[in-house]
Amino acid sequence: QTVVTQEPSLTVSPGGTVTLTCASSTGAVTSGYYPNWFQQKPGQAPRALIYSTSNKHSWTPARFSGSLLGGKAALTLSGVQPEDEAEYYCLLYYGGAQPQWVFGGGTKLTVL
Amino acid sequence: QVTLRESGPALVKPTQTLTLTCTFSGFSLSTSGMCVSWIRQPPGKALEWLALIDWDDDKYYSTSLKTRLTISKDTSKNQVVLTMTNMDPVDTATYYCARIYGDYDLFDYWGQGTLVTVSS
Repeated sequence: QTVVTQEPSLTVSPGGTVTLTCASSTGAVTSGYYPNWFQQKPGQAPRALIYSTSNKHSWTPARFSGSLLGGKAALTLSGVQPEDEAEYYCLLYYGGAQPQWVFGGGTKLTVL
Repeated sequence: QVTLRESGPALVKPTQTLTLTCTFSGFSLSTSGMCVSWIRQPPGKALEWLALIDWDDDKYYSTSLKTRLTISKDTSKNQVVLTMTNMDPVDTATYYCARIYGDYDLFDYWGQGTLVTVSS
């Protein structure tokens, strides 16, 4: 059973910078895992932020960026705003004969 | 404008079969590279990927739920249907459908979700 691991919680001050990571139990995350990142606020559906490691959607604020960092997928928020307080999920693609997509457990980001 | 909307019963009994429909607009599932996926989220818990169907009618399922899931599409109606057999209270969750575009790498639009409660 493949497990994708994220930090359960992080706290950042307004205007600060924070990096969330996404690790795979199978080893280093590469671009071939097509990391996607989503933001979810209470009572709302997830909203896509980043696809294929570092690509932004048209609606993604410029302060969000995606990358690979030390064998993990990473989401960096620079100049954090109060409205960025939310749960963040990563999603990894495991290709092969029977492709699978696996979500991480989510990171609760608190802006304090 | 791309939209997706999930529909189905709000309440099902244990052992029953759940049928959910994702009705979408703004794209065609016959277009190369287009896919629709189902994802669920139990109350207070993380997202869980369930199944995906692509423009070529290829179907992929979560290995842990594969024996219980069936995904299908009706391109003429712009709908994707997910059935899940032998429902259990642990299957209580909000079920979402989402569009995937490209080389299985781009999840973009999501529906608002539908809450399904499994209880006798």
